Amino acid sequence: RKEVEQDPGPFNVPEGATVAFNCTYSNSASQSFFWYRQDCRKEPKLLMSVYSSGNEDGRFTAQLNRASQYISLLIRDSKLSDSATYLCVVNDYKLSFGAGTTVTVRA
Amino acid sequence: DAGVTQSPTHLIKTRGQHVTLRCSPISGHKSVSWYQQVLGQGPQFIFQYYEKEERGRGNFPDRFSARQFPNYSSELNVNALLLGDSALYLCASSLQHSGANVLTFGAGSRLTVL
Repeated sequence: RKEVEQDPGPFNVPEGATVAFNCTYSNSASQSFFWYRQDCRKEPKLLMSVYSSGNEDGRFTAQLNRASQYISLLIRDSKLSDSATYLCVVNDYKLSFGAGTTVTVRA
Repeated sequence: DAGVTQSPTHLIKTRGQHVTLRCSPISGHKSVSWYQQVLGQGPQFIFQYYEKEERGRGNFPDRFSARQFPNYSSELNVNALLLGDSALYLCASSLQHSGANVLTFGAGSRLTVL
């Protein structure tokens, strides 16, 4: 079983739509969780950390479910500029990345 | 302020050759991590260095080695290159070595092995 698994997508959504996707992790002792964004052929950049109580950053909402070992990302009011691959990152003794979920927002 | 800088940005090698990739962390950051990203996959952890000591190693063969210098810059070396080593090699720096620290990535070195 992979340490971090994500639905690869792609999720094709119209501007203004809401899109949500999950990531599951295998190590129940994992302590920290993040979402990174990666544009085509660019480096990953931190989108947001994920806190136990859930957190929002503008149109982005992240949730953590420790019992079921998954984290989620929800994007409201999608913009064309949200088109990217979203990487789920889990910290056990190192940072483990999922393969990414591709989101394409169309006009 | 300069971010994480990596060199070279692109390079082409042939099987069996050796490659050295370089990374300069953000000023003040003492931890450097190396990741390999093959097309269509997420970054895979190779090494982490903190204060010039190896603090973590991923599941990569001994052909991969790294070191960190007193100025906190780092080199990743790969010997006896294979076709499968073709990938984007990402360097990331953070203040400390804890996984709770946010990683800032460089733009990467794109290696093609022919």
